Amino acid sequence: AQSVSQHNHHVILSEAASLELGCNYSYGGTVNLFWYVQYPGQHLQLLLKYFSGDPLVKGIKGFEAEFIKSKFSFNLRKPSVQWSDTAEYFCAVALTYQLIWGAGTKLIIKP
Amino acid sequence: DGGITQSPKYLFRKEGQNVTLSCEQNLNHDAMYWYRQDPGQGLRLIYYSQIVNDFQKGDIAEGYSVSREKKESFPLTVTSAQKNPTAFYLCASRLKGGTGGLNTEAFFGQGTRLTVV
Repeated sequence: AQSVSQHNHHVILSEAASLELGCNYSYGGTVNLFWYVQYPGQHLQLLLKYFSGDPLVKGIKGFEAEFIKSKFSFNLRKPSVQWSDTAEYFCAVALTYQLIWGAGTKLIIKP
Repeated sequence: DGGITQSPKYLFRKEGQNVTLSCEQNLNHDAMYWYRQDPGQGLRLIYYSQIVNDFQKGDIAEGYSVSREKKESFPLTVTSAQKNPTAFYLCASRLKGGTGGLNTEAFFGQGTRLTVV
């Protein structure tokens, strides 16, 4: 069965630190990839997406992600995090009508 | 404003009761989804619907039922058969997209937190 793995369930960083959240998927065919963010008390919203083309995609709030097909990975990065980035982050893979979700990573930024 | 509306935001249910969670969208999206979110488990698919009057079971459909009589609406009923219904429930919708749904993002409602008392 297809699956999505997010390696870190909890990450704690200080402000201005660099961030990388891992995401690996298990499907070998064409995939479309997403990162969603859920800020405390808010609904899930799209951070960025990859469909085709440049494997380095930029999203909102300074986030970016790199699709590496050979590694089945779509890691999320941000060079310098802020306290307001405290949230839960989810990686997802679209397989036709279904979205397969990772378990999420809770990110806490210490001021 | 276009979006997805879930109601109620908080719901308390007694043991043995059925409850229905509402999900309405005015985005003209074809596909709608119900997920259950538990800490450390991500989003687990309960049911999804690609078109009106059609829906499919997801990974954890037991104890739940849905209907899709209108494109805009996809209510979820949590029945008394659901052994552990206390959770956060999320509704989402997506456009069909040109490649069978691959290249469209999902939009989410704000969720309903269900607690069994």
